[in-house]
Amino acid sequence: DVVMTQSPLSLPVTLGQPASISCRSSQSLVYSDGNTYLNWFQQRPGQSPRRLIYQVSHRDSGVPDRFSGSGSGTDFTLKISRVEAEDVGVYYCMQGIHRRTFGQGTKVEIK
Amino acid sequence: EVQLVESGGGLVQPGGSLRLSCAASGFSLSSYEMNWVRQAPGQGLEWVSSIWSSGSPLNYAESVQGRFTISRDSAKNSLYLQMNSLRTEDTAVYYCASLSLGRAWELPDYWGLGTLVTVSS
Repeated sequence: DVVMTQSPLSLPVTLGQPASISCRSSQSLVYSDGNTYLNWFQQRPGQSPRRLIYQVSHRDSGVPDRFSGSGSGTDFTLKISRVEAEDVGVYYCMQGIHRRTFGQGTKVEIK
Repeated sequence: EVQLVESGGGLVQPGGSLRLSCAASGFSLSSYEMNWVRQAPGQGLEWVSSIWSSGSPLNYAESVQGRFTISRDSAKNSLYLQMNSLRTEDTAVYYCASLSLGRAWELPDYWGLGTLVTVSS
């Protein structure tokens, strides 16, 4: 099974400041078609998750451009350029090369 | 408008069974891969099961293999999860979701609101 490991698990941030979440996979997420199947999800308190990023760096429709994804192989990063109050929640990475596996989640809160 | 609406959750004793449903609207559920994801109280997301558009293979997490069965009904445009031999650790909100990977033939990302399953004596 592909294991996904996120860090940190808790991330207190100041409004307007940047935030960065790391996600590492136990094996390369490059699929046989050449694409890398790594998604990022946001789950706000009391809500269902929603996808922010797919295939490492492609933002979903309606996602603010302060969110960006990067990485390759086994190491990936989600960055928020300037944290806003509505960004509070838990962020998950998910691999899609073998079934699906989520990371443990990173809780983003305002200092 | 696309909607996924889960139902069938509730309180069940350990060892019991429950069948969850996910009614889809706005698209043909059988044309796409669909998944069940669960979230135990205060915990993270756990992928549970998936069914491909072709109907096979059926995939399961190790934690539910042999106890849960995923299926769908094209006529009712619905996805199901039959859960048998339930354990206290199966207590969670169960979501129906596309979990798509951004490939051209896939749905956008859709999630239902979830249905709560509580396994307790």
